Amino acid sequence: KNEVEQSPQNLTAQEGEFITINCSYSVGISALHWLQQHPGGGIVSLFMLSSGKKKHGRLIATINIQEKHSSLHITASHPRDSAVYICAVIGGISNFGNEKLTFGTGTRLTIIP
Amino acid sequence: NAGVTQTPKFRVLKTGQSMTLLCAQDMNHEYMYWYRQDPGMGLRLIHYSVGEGTTAKGEVPDGYNVSRLKKQNFLLGLESAAPSQTSVYFCASSRRDRGPLLITDTQYFGPGTRLTVL
Repeated sequence: KNEVEQSPQNLTAQEGEFITINCSYSVGISALHWLQQHPGGGIVSLFMLSSGKKKHGRLIATINIQEKHSSLHITASHPRDSAVYICAVIGGISNFGNEKLTFGTGTRLTIIP
Repeated sequence: NAGVTQTPKFRVLKTGQSMTLLCAQDMNHEYMYWYRQDPGMGLRLIHYSVGEGTTAKGEVPDGYNVSRLKKQNFLLGLESAAPSQTSVYFCASSRRDRGPLLITDTQYFGPGTRLTVL
C-alpha cells in the first residue's frame, strides 16, 4: 500500500461544478503540500498546510491530522483548472536519515466547457 | 525575474555517458531540490540543499551527485548514465521560513528537463 493515496485518479466534470480531490496518508506528518501540474508539464505549488484550512481564490485545502486526510476543493470550476493535482506529505525519516517527502501519483482533472 | 531555470530542456545520452543538469534561481532562496518524475510513480526527491555548500540525500539519490557551490545554482550530475535514469527532472527552490521542515514555504519549480538514456 502506498504511503500517500489520492482519489479519484481521474475526474471529469462540467464547468461550474464543485470539485473535491482527496489525499489520504498512512504516516505521521508534519505538513502536507498540494501542487498543480499543467498539461504542458509545469508544476505550481498551491498550498502547504499542517492544520485546519487554507483558501486562495477558488481553491480551498483542508487537512484532518487525526484522520490522516486532506481535501482540495475547487469552487466554480473552469476549463483552465484542468490539470493534474498532486499531494505530498512531509513526515517520517528516509533511508538516509533525513526528513522524508512522499508524493501521491496525482489526480487528473478535466473540466468540460 | 526569471524564477527557476533549468538547462538543458532535452537531452539524449548513451549508457555510460555523463552529464550535468544546471538549475538556477534568482529569488535568493535558501532551499533547492532535484526531483525526478516517472509515469505512474509520481515525483521523487533525489537530493536537496538547505544552503550554499550543503547537500542531502532524498529518496532516490543513487547514481546522482549534486553540488551547491553558489546559492543561486544547484547542479545534478550523472556520472555514468543508465536507462533507468530516463525521466523528467525538475528543480525547485523555496524560501526558508521557520522550523526544521524539509519544505518550509512555497516551492517554485523549473520547467523540467526531459532526459532519455539509450
